[in-house]
Amino acid sequence: GNSVTQMEGPVTLSEEAFLTINCTYTATGYPSLFWYVQYPGEGLQLLLKATKADDKGSNKGFEATYRKETTSFHLEKGSVQVSDSAVYFCALSEGSSYKLIFGSGTRLLVRP
Amino acid sequence: DGGITQSPKYLFRKEGQNVTLSCEQNLNHDAMYWYRQDPGQGLRLIYYSQIVNDFQKGDIAEGYSVSREKKESFPLTVTSAQKNPTAFYLCASSDFPVQYFGPGTRLTVL
Repeated sequence: GNSVTQMEGPVTLSEEAFLTINCTYTATGYPSLFWYVQYPGEGLQLLLKATKADDKGSNKGFEATYRKETTSFHLEKGSVQVSDSAVYFCALSEGSSYKLIFGSGTRLLVRP
Repeated sequence: DGGITQSPKYLFRKEGQNVTLSCEQNLNHDAMYWYRQDPGQGLRLIYYSQIVNDFQKGDIAEGYSVSREKKESFPLTVTSAQKNPTAFYLCASSDFPVQYFGPGTRLTVL
């Protein structure tokens, strides 16, 4: 079945460091791919998405490129801030059922 | 303001009691979902509904029930049959393929 694998956290960085959170997927067909962010005690917010191969999603300085050849959708940011500290979830859409398959989440902690 | 509301934010229940969590959306979305999140874990799908008066079981439906009588509302009942109901519950609605989430309800069984 379809699945999403994320790198385990926590990821601890200093402010202004470069961020990469790895995400790979297994899917039949051509799913859409997403990154969601969750701040403590809150629901998930859509960070960015890509709906077809080679698409690049971007938002708030974060980017991810849909790589079909490597089945990956890695999240990157050039310079993180303390306010980026949160849990990040990679997800893929599953066919016509409108269901999303989530990775287990990666906690990011940015120190001043 | 368009969005998804969940109430209450915190809920306490005694063992053996049923409890209903509310989820309302004014985004005019057809599809709605309920997820459970345990500490340090990802999201697990409980139930989902793609249209009014229809819903399907997700991966962990045992001990839960739902209804979808109105497009805007998708309440979740946690029954006494749910063995370990203490968790954070998230509701979402979908403008395919994107899902939008509510703020969540934290349920604690005493």
